Amino acid sequence: AQKVTQAQTEISVVEKEDVTLDCVYETRDTTYYLFWYKQPPSGELVFLIRRNSFDEQNEISGRYSWNFQKSTSSFNFTITASQVVDSAVYFCALRNFNKFYFGSGTKLNVKP
Amino acid sequence: DVKVTQSSRYLVKRTGEKVFLECVQDMDHENMFWYRQDPGLGLRLIYFSYDVKMKEKGDIPEGYSVSREKKERFSLILESASTNQTSMYLCASSLGLSGYNEQFFGPGTRLTVL
Repeated sequence: AQKVTQAQTEISVVEKEDVTLDCVYETRDTTYYLFWYKQPPSGELVFLIRRNSFDEQNEISGRYSWNFQKSTSSFNFTITASQVVDSAVYFCALRNFNKFYFGSGTKLNVKP
Repeated sequence: DVKVTQSSRYLVKRTGEKVFLECVQDMDHENMFWYRQDPGLGLRLIYFSYDVKMKEKGDIPEGYSVSREKKERFSLILESASTNQTSMYLCASSLGLSGYNEQFFGPGTRLTVL
């Protein structure tokens, strides 16, 4: 069975703080893809990053970084020096063939 | 820019009505998906389609049907709307069968069934 767990329902931070959003997944497949999406208050999900199961290299893009660890089945997302514009719901997802499995999302509130 | 559009942002219907939610994408994507989003439950897949006239059930297909007569359009149908179908409905599309390809989402339709 495929499953994605985002245990943090809601996180509140003050601007400029660093914050990490956790994602733990379950799958028996050896080939799979992991994704992070952002859903701002406007409602439209926006793709942030993908990672395939054979690539455990961490990635940094500006203030965003992702840590993929197969040993712990985790794909965590860190925002450095958070900004108010980062306030959104963030979803982690696992793709196997045609299907995506989404976590329940983490709502991030960044206060000025 | 990939564009996925949904026919309505907000919709209010009465119990028992037949409801059509339309989704159109303009990037010639093979795959299209319908999800519903409820607080605390994330996105749950209702149906998806990997080609014209092809469809597969997702995790929660009961009470829904779909139609894909043209590649760019994927319709979600609530045959007889019920109050427990009040939700945010999201349409998405993606290119091909490769797991590499991400989904592109529409803005969502917030459906209220009274």
